[in-house]
Amino acid sequence: AQSVTQPDIHITVSEGASLELRCNYSYGATPYLFWYVQSPGQGLQLLLKYFSGDTLVQGIKGFEAEFKRSQSSFNLRKPSVHWSDAAEYFCAVGHTGTASKLTFGTGTRLQVTL
Amino acid sequence: GAGVSQSPRYKVAKRGQDVALRCDPISGHVSLFWYQQALGQGPEFLTYFQNEAQLDKSGLPSDRFFAERPEGSVSTLKIQRTQQEDSAVYLCASSSGQLYGYTFGSGTRLTVV
Repeated sequence: AQSVTQPDIHITVSEGASLELRCNYSYGATPYLFWYVQSPGQGLQLLLKYFSGDTLVQGIKGFEAEFKRSQSSFNLRKPSVHWSDAAEYFCAVGHTGTASKLTFGTGTRLQVTL
Repeated sequence: GAGVSQSPRYKVAKRGQDVALRCDPISGHVSLFWYQQALGQGPEFLTYFQNEAQLDKSGLPSDRFFAERPEGSVSTLKIQRTQQEDSAVYLCASSSGQLYGYTFGSGTRLTVV
């Protein structure tokens, strides 16, 4: 069965510092991978997605992620964090088939200090 | 509409009460999904509609949960005889059919007391 692990429950970084959020997945075939962001009281917003091709994916808000098949990882990065990036971040893997449903990790809460 | 609308935003139910949660998808979106997000957890898939057909309900946790989308637009998630473990945020998402092209609503926070 598909699964997603986000090993860091909570991360704190200073504004302007670089960020890397970890994500490991378990999936039998080539996965469809996603990063979503959720601000308090809000729904989920898609940051970026990987289907195939170039393993370095660029997303919105200056985020990028790199797919590493050998490590079953899809880590999210940002070179310089802004205070407005404070939120909950979810990694997800997509199921193939008609439903296109997602399996999410448990999330990483990002706190940004000024 | 411009986005996925869910109502109510907050619902407090007494244990044993029935509740109905509404989702208005983006106009024209054929696919609609329900997810349950418990506190401190990621969303978990509940069910999926394509137009009015419920094609996957494998995530519904018990037969107390029921979802419908009778005209292929608005969807309602009904929970009968609510229990404390049903307390969660219920998220709805719709898609035009583009692979994983979800737009999520802001969710309904259900608290069972």
